[in-house]
Amino acid sequence: QVQLVESGGALVKPGGSLRLSCAVSGFTFSDHHMSWIRQGPGKGLEWVAYITSDRKTTYYADSMKGRFTVSRDNTKNSLYLQMNSLTTEDTAVYYCVRGTWGGNWGQGTLVTVSS
Amino acid sequence: DVVMTQSPLSLPVTLGQPASISCRSSQSLVHSDGNTYLSWVQQRPGQSPRRLFYRVSDRDSGVPDRFSGSGSGTDFTLRISRVEAEDVAIYYCMQATHWPYTFGQGTRLDIK
Repeated sequence: QVQLVESGGALVKPGGSLRLSCAVSGFTFSDHHMSWIRQGPGKGLEWVAYITSDRKTTYYADSMKGRFTVSRDNTKNSLYLQMNSLTTEDTAVYYCVRGTWGGNWGQGTLVTVSS
Repeated sequence: DVVMTQSPLSLPVTLGQPASISCRSSQSLVHSDGNTYLSWVQQRPGQSPRRLFYRVSDRDSGVPDRFSGSGSGTDFTLRISRVEAEDVAIYYCMQATHWPYTFGQGTRLDIK
């Protein structure tokens, strides 16, 4: 069955960096666009970024542009999110999601930005 | 950005009764390819979100047929014909026609 497993979430200080990973199985990873979506504590859902299946195109929400980088390794069935210059506003559960229509979701990984 | 507005934000429903959630977008969600990329996502307490419908009314595998999605242009609706206890959740509409893709604020359904 389809599985998406995020990892890498942690407590980090403002201004710090973090790299999230998502290992997928159960589908042909290289055939699908992939997304990161986040959910702040007690808040709704917010698109972070997505990357096309061929890695050629990436899109970012304005508040993440220039700070976050989405990438993927189709040989390792893995999706990544490099996050730099983190602020307290980035505190959230980060979900790895198949596709761009809100398909399969992982269980999420918690990123806490606090001094 | 496309603003997605859901109503109501809170929906208490008696078991076995129908429920309806409205979602309106600030601009048409018809893509240049002719498709309308409006999805509905369910998030049960303590769980990850799960998609119920994509392209307005295409049902995901395993979604009970008491759920239905409908609408066009800027107005969309998620209906539950007979609410069951397992339907307690927050429901979000989501558009993937215009980047940045955006979600509605969420509608919390609980049992009256």
